[in-house]
Amino acid sequence: AQSVSQHNHHVILSEAASLELGCNYSYGGTVNLFWYVQYPGQHLQLLLKYFSGDPLVKGIKGFEAEFIKSKFSFNLRKPSVQWSDTAEYFCAVNAPPSGNTGKLIFGQGTTLQVKP
Amino acid sequence: NAGVTQTPKFQVLKTGQSMTLQCAQDMNHNSMYWYRQDPGMGLRLIYYSASEGTTDKGEVPNGYNVSRLNKREFSLRLESAAPSQTSVYFCASSDQGLGYTFGSGTRLTVV
Repeated sequence: AQSVSQHNHHVILSEAASLELGCNYSYGGTVNLFWYVQYPGQHLQLLLKYFSGDPLVKGIKGFEAEFIKSKFSFNLRKPSVQWSDTAEYFCAVNAPPSGNTGKLIFGQGTTLQVKP
Repeated sequence: NAGVTQTPKFQVLKTGQSMTLQCAQDMNHNSMYWYRQDPGMGLRLIYYSASEGTTDKGEVPNGYNVSRLNKREFSLRLESAAPSQTSVYFCASSDQGLGYTFGSGTRLTVV
């Protein structure tokens, strides 16, 4: 079965530190990849997505992610985090046989706490 | 604002009670989904509807039923609530898997 694994469950950083959150998926074919953020008490918001083309994807709020097909990875990065980045981050994959049904498979989530 | 609207936002049920969570989208998306979010487990798909008139089970369908009433609306029903169904429920819609919009969630507690 398809699966998505996020290695870091809880990350604590100081402001201005660099961030990298790991995400690996199990499907070997064509995939669509997403990172979502959930601020406390809010719903999920799209940070960025990858469908094809340049494997380095830039999203909102200074986030970026790199798709490395050979490693089945889609890690999220930010050079300098802010206190307002405190949130939960989810990696998600849409892959066949989901096809046009668009089923998203989510990772377990990573809670990021940024200390001022 | 365009998007996905879920009702209610909060609900407390007693074990054995039934209820329906409502979801509506105004983006003309074909596909709609119900997820539940539990600590440390991410979001897990309960049911989805790839298009109007079709519904399919997701990863955790037991104890739930759904109805795709029309293209806009996709409801989730708990026939006999159990404490294990205490969770936050999110409805979402998508445009053929290319873009997803999530509702604001329903926080359900079953006592």
